[in-house]
Amino acid sequence: GAVVSQHPSRVICKSGTSVKIECRSLDFQATTMFWYRQFPKQSLMLMATSNEGSKATYEQGVEKDKFLINHASLTLSTLTVTSAHPEDSSFYICSAHASGTGSDTQYFGPGTRLTVL
Amino acid sequence: GESVGLHLPTLSVQEGDNSIINCAYSNSASDYFIWYKQESGKGPQFIIDIRSNMDKRQGQRVTVLLNKTVKHLSLQIAATQPGDSAVYFCAETSGYSTLTFGKGTMLLVSP
Repeated sequence: GAVVSQHPSRVICKSGTSVKIECRSLDFQATTMFWYRQFPKQSLMLMATSNEGSKATYEQGVEKDKFLINHASLTLSTLTVTSAHPEDSSFYICSAHASGTGSDTQYFGPGTRLTVL
Repeated sequence: GESVGLHLPTLSVQEGDNSIINCAYSNSASDYFIWYKQESGKGPQFIIDIRSNMDKRQGQRVTVLLNKTVKHLSLQIAATQPGDSAVYFCAETSGYSTLTFGKGTMLLVSP
């Protein structure tokens, strides 16, 4: 149980285009999902907290107009990187809390490797 | 020591040895701690957790120790195997707040 999937697993795009990454909780409902970015040989940095049915909460320094988050259902959150540039190339990882379990545990997706040319 | 920039601390061990990975956390209000294992190109995988009302918790081949006095967390892996090679992160949180990750330690296991 508690499986989180991400799609796509890797994407290569041209500079200036937008890329959408999906995060799904497969066997549980997630009121809250989280989006992280990870650069090579570094730790995970929280970008934003995605709340079902409401606006996402962004961490300091993360541009909300560049990284659009939509959490339209209890099993799906999407991150759209708008007008991507090479410096946006990174490993994007989502995680989810299982709703109603009282658990603090976050379950992580497999990550999406974004390369912007 | 702690990593700076692109340099992850690395622990190299022989297969069959016991491994100890350390983590210092910063927030004295944190009451829940988790160890994650991350293999190259994959997302973090939950290993073991511990709450602040405990100082030790054991799993299968893994033990987590918590010292709240000095804000230190350790992960012990018994009989380390090549498949244990990965980057290990500690994470801390309080209540249902967000997770704060440590810098990570790379574990290299030689056959």
